[in-house]
Amino acid sequence: EAGVAQSPRYKIIEKRQSVAFWCNPISGHATLYWYQQILGQGPKLLIQFQNNGVVDDSQLPKDRFSAERLKGVDSTLKIQPAKLEDSAVYLCASSSLWGVSTDTQYFGPGTRLTVL
Amino acid sequence: GDSVTQMEGPVTLSEEAFLTINCTYTATGYPSLFWYVQYPGEGLQLLLKATKADDKGSNKGFEATYRKETTSFHLEKGSVQVSDSAVYFCALSEGTTDSWGKLQFGAGTQVVVTP
Repeated sequence: EAGVAQSPRYKIIEKRQSVAFWCNPISGHATLYWYQQILGQGPKLLIQFQNNGVVDDSQLPKDRFSAERLKGVDSTLKIQPAKLEDSAVYLCASSSLWGVSTDTQYFGPGTRLTVL
Repeated sequence: GDSVTQMEGPVTLSEEAFLTINCTYTATGYPSLFWYVQYPGEGLQLLLKATKADDKGSNKGFEATYRKETTSFHLEKGSVQVSDSAVYFCALSEGTTDSWGKLQFGAGTQVVVTP
């Protein structure tokens, strides 16, 4: 079974530029998550989708971050404009169930963003 | 709110030594508990999980027991190998209307095993 795919793996941009990350979850997984992992910290949830609807975006800085999940499959996370503090690894995860605490989330390799 | 606290690293061990990584949590309900591992250059992988009190999760020689009375989920391995060098994350998930199954992670503990 193919895992969660993410691209690009690395991205370097100047502050105030825009950037987009792509995620393809495991086939058939209804729930998709985007996490931000700052160096030395654990991942922090940014947004959670159930199919193509947003379940939780309470931690998403909506003035600069946006995300969508078209047709309930692939997802794109965008930052515009980027700030220095956005430097982090952006992780995408998916799970087959929704709202179930026992379910396993499967993570992609992440995109490492450096903002100069 | 929910939170996870785990011991700071790095933890440096010799091969075949015993490993313990402490993890405690606070939660409003009855969460499921997880250990994820991140090997160098790779994504997070589920190592083991436990979904109710007194459950023991195990995988690849690692074990952790869900202790509700001490709100802990300590990770142990009896004899580590160099290949166990990685960052280990403790996490919890609550299936409530506030959490919707999202994971709350600790800060991670780096483990370095030397030959």
